[in-house]
Amino acid sequence: AAGVIQSPRHLIKEKRETATLKCYPIPRHDTVYWYQQGPGQDPQFLISFYEKMQSDKGSIPDRFSAQQFSDYHSELNMSSLELGDSALYFCASSPPPGTSPYEQYFGPGTRLTVT
Amino acid sequence: DAKTTQPNSMESNEEEPVHLPCNHSTISGTDYIHWYRQLPSQGPEYVIHGLTSNVNNRMASLAIAEDRKSSTLILHRATLRDAAVYYCILFMMDRDDKIIFGKGTRLHILP
Repeated sequence: AAGVIQSPRHLIKEKRETATLKCYPIPRHDTVYWYQQGPGQDPQFLISFYEKMQSDKGSIPDRFSAQQFSDYHSELNMSSLELGDSALYFCASSPPPGTSPYEQYFGPGTRLTVT
Repeated sequence: DAKTTQPNSMESNEEEPVHLPCNHSTISGTDYIHWYRQLPSQGPEYVIHGLTSNVNNRMASLAIAEDRKSSTLILHRATLRDAAVYYCILFMMDRDDKIIFGKGTRLHILP
């Protein structure tokens, strides 16, 4: 079965650079979530989109922005990168209501290293 | 948000059953109880969920207390591959609910 695809899998950037992470949800899934997991930490919710509109916002820095496109893929844009942004970034998707209650399917993650 | 409490870590022998407890004394009537797990170097994955009745699937069983203030995830026969961090999470009935990960229980499986 198709899974959530994230690209790139690994990314190395320098301080103050920008980065773009991409997420391709499972086909027919209309909601996308982004989570950040720092070293030794639990995943933290950043932001979510439902039907291409931002639906919820968590602890996402103002330097980050995200959007969901007409094909439902999503991109997380990160600017003025800081050392503390080094983390695993997970994308998850979930199906429309009534299909499977609140189950989220996670991608393999993008490991971002800021030097 | 309703909170959950889990032990930091647990150990179990391979091929034995494992009971992972979770306390959620402030659970509301519309909260579903979900379990996710995160294997090393992987994204979290859904394990099981329930509302009031006990639930079984191919991965595990979920036993929910009658007052719903606690639940137990049961792995019937643990394998080395089950070594992971297990998260007990409450979801409200609203759609598009983000996951609030707590500390979870790190499960070690001894060969």
